[in-house]
Amino acid sequence: DTGVSQDPRHKITKRGQNVTFRCDPISEHNRLYWYRQTLGQGPEFLTYFQNEAQLEKSRLLSDRFSAERPKGSFSTLEIQRTEQGDSAMYLCASSFNVGSRQLYGYTFGSGTRLTVV
Amino acid sequence: RKEVEQDPGPFNVPEGATVAFNCTYSNSASQSFFWYRQDCRKEPKLLMSVYSSGNEDGRFTAQLNRASQYISLLIRDSKLSDSATYLCVSANTNAGKSTFGDGTTLTVKP
Repeated sequence: DTGVSQDPRHKITKRGQNVTFRCDPISEHNRLYWYRQTLGQGPEFLTYFQNEAQLEKSRLLSDRFSAERPKGSFSTLEIQRTEQGDSAMYLCASSFNVGSRQLYGYTFGSGTRLTVV
Repeated sequence: RKEVEQDPGPFNVPEGATVAFNCTYSNSASQSFFWYRQDCRKEPKLLMSVYSSGNEDGRFTAQLNRASQYISLLIRDSKLSDSATYLCVSANTNAGKSTFGDGTTLTVKP
């Protein structure tokens, strides 16, 4: 296990199409997070999972966004009916938590850069 | 007002300089703090955790002031390779997520 893997690295899609991204976290980590980052901004929280349970979803996330983590392993993030404003880097991260406390911070994947044209 | 605020910079310093970045957070329930480094078009990578007692890792020193809700990062003897964006992060133990600042950009010049 060499880290957090994300696929694809880049995605160009036409407005209105659906896209799905995949994240494989570090196997020993019990939490998985999705963030979105645009140029000049810090990563913005989207949602996170503790094992297979989705525990929090950002209020900024519209109903077009959905994330799953079946069996507490890999996760997928789907965006339906994409809009140009969805263009961003989508970052997945995992962490090892004891209770709600992060012990060592996040390990991020390399991200999926989405461009909606 | 953003929950984590940083001076965006840019900070342009010569090699060998000492530079300090500041960060303030507004959520008093935040319990864990971190600095991340992000290179251009790359993912953020953990630089160091920040403890109340302060902590040092080589040329990097992080400090936390809970009373003022203020975090700092000091880089001594700057290297060209320190050029990056530095992200300040607070984590709330009552919520799952970490909140990132928008980063401070550092350029170290020869």
